[in-house]
Amino acid sequence: GQNIDQPTEMTATEGAIVQINCTYQTSGFNGLFWYQQHAGEAPTFLSYNVLDGLEEKGRFSSFLSRSKGYSYLLLKELQMKDSASYLCAVKDSNYQLIWGAGTKLIIKP
Amino acid sequence: IAGITQAPTSQILAAGRRMTLRCTQDMRHNAMYWYRQDLGLGLRLIHYSNTAGTTGKGEVPDGYSVSRANTDDFPLTLASAVPSQTSVYFCASSSTATESPLHFGNGTRLTVT
Repeated sequence: GQNIDQPTEMTATEGAIVQINCTYQTSGFNGLFWYQQHAGEAPTFLSYNVLDGLEEKGRFSSFLSRSKGYSYLLLKELQMKDSASYLCAVKDSNYQLIWGAGTKLIIKP
Repeated sequence: IAGITQAPTSQILAAGRRMTLRCTQDMRHNAMYWYRQDLGLGLRLIHYSNTAGTTGKGEVPDGYSVSRANTDDFPLTLASAVPSQTSVYFCASSSTATESPLHFGNGTRLTVT
């Protein structure tokens, strides 16, 4: 079956750096997405990786290794507003999105 | 403001009743999707439409139906609601069905009693 694994919850300190990992096993690969979802709100798109390597976008970076079935989302200079769930999703060979259950990130002052 | 509008925002529904969740987008996106989100689980795809006039079944289609008569609208109907359909429902769209990211509506919180 198809599977996306990410930690259920992480805690970090304001101003610090946190890395949220995502491993996947899917039938085929057509890109990996990261979304942010604040409590009670809709998910919003953060990043997209289809080739190996690091994609940087301001304080957020996303890394992909297709051979290892692995990605991470790196958040720098954490702010209280970064408290949210972070969802990893992979497009399989049929271009269907397979979603992880999400990582709840708690930021402490 | 361009985006996706879902209605209603929330609803309490008696089991056995019929309910249609509405979704409209004004971005002229080709693909549209309905997901449900339950605590501890990832988003699960109910139905999708890659282009107007076509629909397909997702991971959890039983008990739900959709139609895509035009580009903008993608309603989701529960023919006879059951308590296990209590969930938060998100409608989403993307420019294409392949590489584009999804844009989500604000969700409908449905409680079936």
